[in-house]
Amino acid sequence: GAVVSQHPSRVICKSGTSVKIECRSLDFQATTMFWYRQFPKQSLMLMATSNEGSKATYEQGVEKDKFLINHASLTLSTLTVTSAHPEDSSFYICSALNPSGARIYEQYFGPGTRLTVT
Amino acid sequence: GIQVEQSPPDLILQEGANSTLRCNFSDSVNNLQWFHQNPWGQLINLFYIPSGTKQNGRLSATTVATERYSLLYISSSQTTDSGVYFCAALQAGTALIFGKGTTLSVSS
Repeated sequence: GAVVSQHPSRVICKSGTSVKIECRSLDFQATTMFWYRQFPKQSLMLMATSNEGSKATYEQGVEKDKFLINHASLTLSTLTVTSAHPEDSSFYICSALNPSGARIYEQYFGPGTRLTVT
Repeated sequence: GIQVEQSPPDLILQEGANSTLRCNFSDSVNNLQWFHQNPWGQLINLFYIPSGTKQNGRLSATTVATERYSLLYISSSQTTDSGVYFCAALQAGTALIFGKGTTLSVSS
């Protein structure tokens, strides 16, 4: 149980275009989801917290107009990278909390999306 | 926010050796998780261990919440254990904050 999927797993786009990444909780309802970014040989950095039906909360230094997050349902959160530039190339990973699970603070992670901007 | 520090940053072992990875955190936590990141980037959840001791095969973990540290033990290491190990901690109402990781290399 507690499976999180991401789509696509890998995407290449041209500079200036926008890319949407989907994060789904497959077998539970997630009121809270999180988006992380990981650069090569670095750790995961929290970008934003996404709560169903409300605006996302962004970490300091993360541009909310560039990284649009929408948590429209209890099983889906999307991250849209707008006007992508090569420096946005990174590994994006989402995670979710299962509030009805036995471990309410355990985060379940998706497999990640590798974005390359050319 | 909470700070998470891992040591050592790199660890090189011969197959069959044992190892201990350490994670220190700066405040009380509601959750601590250990992960292994595979070569494709997937985070494999090893332990959910805000306190106490757990074992899963050759891996075990101990968290001493009162002293704000956790240890991951790997016994009889195998080449397939190679990769990056992360610990991450959170306080209620926040997200997991990750340490910088320990890169483990096991050679045959």
